[in-house]
Amino acid sequence: GENVEQHPSTLSVQEGDSAVIKCTYSDSASNYFPWYKQELGKRPQLIIDIRSNVGEKKDQRIAVTLNKTAKHFSLHITETQPEDSAVYFCAASKSGGSNYKLTFGKGTLLTVNP
Amino acid sequence: SAVISQKPSRDICQRGTSLTIQCQVDSQVTMMFWYRQQPGQSLTLIATANQGSEATYESGFVIDKFPISRPNLTFSTLTVSNMSPEDSSIYLCSVELGHYGYTFGSGTRLTVV
Repeated sequence: GENVEQHPSTLSVQEGDSAVIKCTYSDSASNYFPWYKQELGKRPQLIIDIRSNVGEKKDQRIAVTLNKTAKHFSLHITETQPEDSAVYFCAASKSGGSNYKLTFGKGTLLTVNP
Repeated sequence: SAVISQKPSRDICQRGTSLTIQCQVDSQVTMMFWYRQQPGQSLTLIATANQGSEATYESGFVIDKFPISRPNLTFSTLTVSNMSPEDSSIYLCSVELGHYGYTFGSGTRLTVV
């Protein structure tokens, strides 16, 4: 089955700096890669996603890049703010039939220091 | 995007008892997913529930421990049976909503004493 590795497990940055979280996946058939933000005591919230026919996607301060050849994808947050502090999870999925399930990385605790 | 209602939001249960968690979606969906999130950990898929067929369980999870019902395209239940303290976790349902991706319910925080 799919295996998703996520690094780093913790990341501390100063407000205004950039943060980068990286994930690798094992199944070359995976074609959908979402990122979730989970604040303490709350449900995971989708913040951005990318499909395999695209190499990069951006939404304001958040961007995701995908390298299908290397089987890795990354989350980039620019101009970080204290409210960006949370646990971030990457995930991978392949479409079709019963394979819609998401496999998650272990998460990255991001702390943005004022 | 669709609204997913999950209940109860939390419960404290005695070991050996069972708890049924409900998940209601305000639109019809083919598949519903049940996840477990142990304290400080990532999300682990328990099973995938399709309407009109048996749920598909992931390795390490069995139907006798986590029976699932899926009576229609908007509703599912997960039962945690014969509970032990190791079952203390957050349980989340999730659905795939096309363009909106996979969305999660608010979760059920279960404590077994």
